[in-house]
Amino acid sequence: GNSVTQMEGPVTLSEEAFLTINCTYTATGYPSLFWYVQYPGEGLQLLLKATKADDKGSNKGFEATYRKETTSFHLEKGSVQVSDSAVYFCALKTNTGNQFYFGTGTSLTVIP
Amino acid sequence: DTAVSQTPKYLVTQMGNDKSIKCEQNLGHDTMYWYKQDSKKFLKIMFSYNNKELIINETVPNRFSPKSPDKAHLNLHINSLELGDSAVYFCASSQEGLFPNVLTFGAGSRLTVL
Repeated sequence: GNSVTQMEGPVTLSEEAFLTINCTYTATGYPSLFWYVQYPGEGLQLLLKATKADDKGSNKGFEATYRKETTSFHLEKGSVQVSDSAVYFCALKTNTGNQFYFGTGTSLTVIP
Repeated sequence: DTAVSQTPKYLVTQMGNDKSIKCEQNLGHDTMYWYKQDSKKFLKIMFSYNNKELIINETVPNRFSPKSPDKAHLNLHINSLELGDSAVYFCASSQEGLFPNVLTFGAGSRLTVL
């Protein structure tokens, strides 16, 4: 079956620290991979995506590389800001079926 | 113009009542979804419609009934509300056939059952 596993939170970092949120997946076929971000009180927004092996998605200083050999799509940012405080969701979609599969979400708090 | 809009944003009601949440998207997408997010932020798919046809119907109590009058609208009606129904409900849409297929979410409707 299809599933996404991401690291448990909450994660608390100081401003300008390096961020990694781990995400691994199980999927049939060749999924597209996504990171969504949910700021407090808001809906989920697409942060970045990658559609094939070795693709790197990037946006707002965040990056994630589609690693087929390790079935991973870890989210990284070199220097976090207070405004990055949010819940981050890893997700996948295969090219068959209409369902998106989400991880459990990782809450990030960045303190000044 | 909001791409996926849900109403109401907040809903507080008593146990046993019936309530509805409405969703509209102006993206021209052909697939719409309802997700439930619990207090731990866990996101669970409830239903999905493609061109007004039900295509995903997860294990959800019969008290929840989705209705899609056209492909731009997907409403959620809940009968006999229970305390455990308290959650944030998100509507989302996507376009099948696009690659990659991306979900666009509404801002959420927070339901509190007292």
